[in-house]
Amino acid sequence: EPEVTQTPSHQVTQMGQEVILRCVPISNHLYFYWYRQILGQKVEFLVSFYNNEISEKSEIFDDQFSVERPDGSNFTLKIRSTKLEDSAMYFCASSEEGTSGGFEQFFGPGTRLTVL
Amino acid sequence: GDSVTQMEGPVTLSEEAFLTINCTYTATGYPSLFWYVQYPGEGLQLLLKATKADDKGSNKGFEATYRKETTSFHLEKGSVQVSDSAVYFCALREAGTALIFGKGTTLSVSS
Repeated sequence: EPEVTQTPSHQVTQMGQEVILRCVPISNHLYFYWYRQILGQKVEFLVSFYNNEISEKSEIFDDQFSVERPDGSNFTLKIRSTKLEDSAMYFCASSEEGTSGGFEQFFGPGTRLTVL
Repeated sequence: GDSVTQMEGPVTLSEEAFLTINCTYTATGYPSLFWYVQYPGEGLQLLLKATKADDKGSNKGFEATYRKETTSFHLEKGSVQVSDSAVYFCALREAGTALIFGKGTTLSVSS
C-alpha cells in the first residue's frame, strides 16, 4: 500500500540553525501539506501546496518557513533560523484532491524536531 | 474561527468495554468531519468521515454520527480490543484545504 514517508525521524539542531525536513508524498497525489504538533497541543495546519505553489497557509507559516518540491518526488519544509518554540512533531500529508468534501489526506509518521 | 474540542484523556478501558470519545466543533458553515487514529510510531490514519448532517461514518467497528443540532461527532465502539490502543483525533474541514484538529485522546485498552 502506498504511503507517505518522512526523513529524518528525529532532527536535533541548535537555535538559529536552518533545518530541512523531507517528505515523499504518494506518487499520484497532487496536494501536499505540512502540519505540526507541539508536545501536548493540537495538530496545527501550516501550509498546503498545489501545482508548485502555496495554495493555503496559516498564520504560523511566516517568513521563517518555506516549502519546495525540488523534484518529482520530494516535498520539503525549510525552517530558517530555528527557535526553541519550533520544537515539535512535523507531519507531512498528501491527497489526490484538495477541496472536495470528503477527500482524504494521507499522513507520514512525522519528524520530531528538537531545537536546543 | 473554526475549532474542535475533544474530551481529555487518557481513556483507560478493559477489553470488550464500550468506548465513547466526545468531540464537538465550532464552524460557520457545513464542515466535513473526520476521525483520525495514530498508532505508536506511525502517522495519522483516517478512521472514518462524514460529510453532511446525519451521515454516519463507520470503520473497523467504530462509528460516529454527524449531529448538526449538537455540533458533535462522537466516536463509539461497542467492544474495544487491546489493538485499539492509540491516539484518536477529531478533525474538521470547512473551506479550503486545511484540516483543523482537536488535541487528541489517548486510549489504552488492557486485557
